[in-house]
Amino acid sequence: GAVVSQHPSWVICKSGTSVKIECRSLDFQATTMFWYRQFPKQSLMLMATSNEGSKATYEQGVEKDKFLINHASLTLSTLTVTSAHPEDSSFYICSARAPVSRHGANVLTFGAGSRLTVL
Amino acid sequence: QKEVEQNSGPLSVPEGAIASLNCTYSDRGSQSFFWYRQYSGKSPELIMFIYSNGDKEDGRFTAQLNKASQYVSLLIRDSQPSDSATYLCAVRNYNQGGKLIFGQGTELSVKP
Repeated sequence: GAVVSQHPSWVICKSGTSVKIECRSLDFQATTMFWYRQFPKQSLMLMATSNEGSKATYEQGVEKDKFLINHASLTLSTLTVTSAHPEDSSFYICSARAPVSRHGANVLTFGAGSRLTVL
Repeated sequence: QKEVEQNSGPLSVPEGAIASLNCTYSDRGSQSFFWYRQYSGKSPELIMFIYSNGDKEDGRFTAQLNKASQYVSLLIRDSQPSDSATYLCAVRNYNQGGKLIFGQGTELSVKP
């Protein structure tokens, strides 16, 4: 079945540093990937839509200069949290529409998530 | 008003009972409706989706959609302790870019 791989699964960094999270579609091509953020006990909030070969589309209130998204190939999107601060600590999850899955076609499949802790 | 609303719970049911999870949405143009299950510390996994009014069954799970009432529900029959998780309702409107909008989730606890 379609798999979305996300790396790293967890990362701890110092305030002011930048962190890069990778999202890969392992056995399918994804022209579009989605980045979500989830704070404890809260729902998933869409941050941006990553489009292969073009600029990402950011949701209202998400700082594009702080959360850099690059979708350089059909199987890889990266999210870089620049100058991270403790309030950026969260669970970041990427997703893509898999062409085929147990539930049918074009269903959103999630990566395992990346837990970021900024000290 | 939130776009997708769910009771946060926790909802507690005994093992073997039916668990009923509810969700309402505000965008009348929404076309697709999804139920995801999320275990603590993990990413969501799709349980099922529904497009048309009525019921859709998949094993122990039944999704129910009523577009006139802007309401979607998930029934879990013969609940098991392993069903204990947070259940997220998500809604998509293809005319609004096809983004998937999530509710805040309902925490379900199935007691042995």
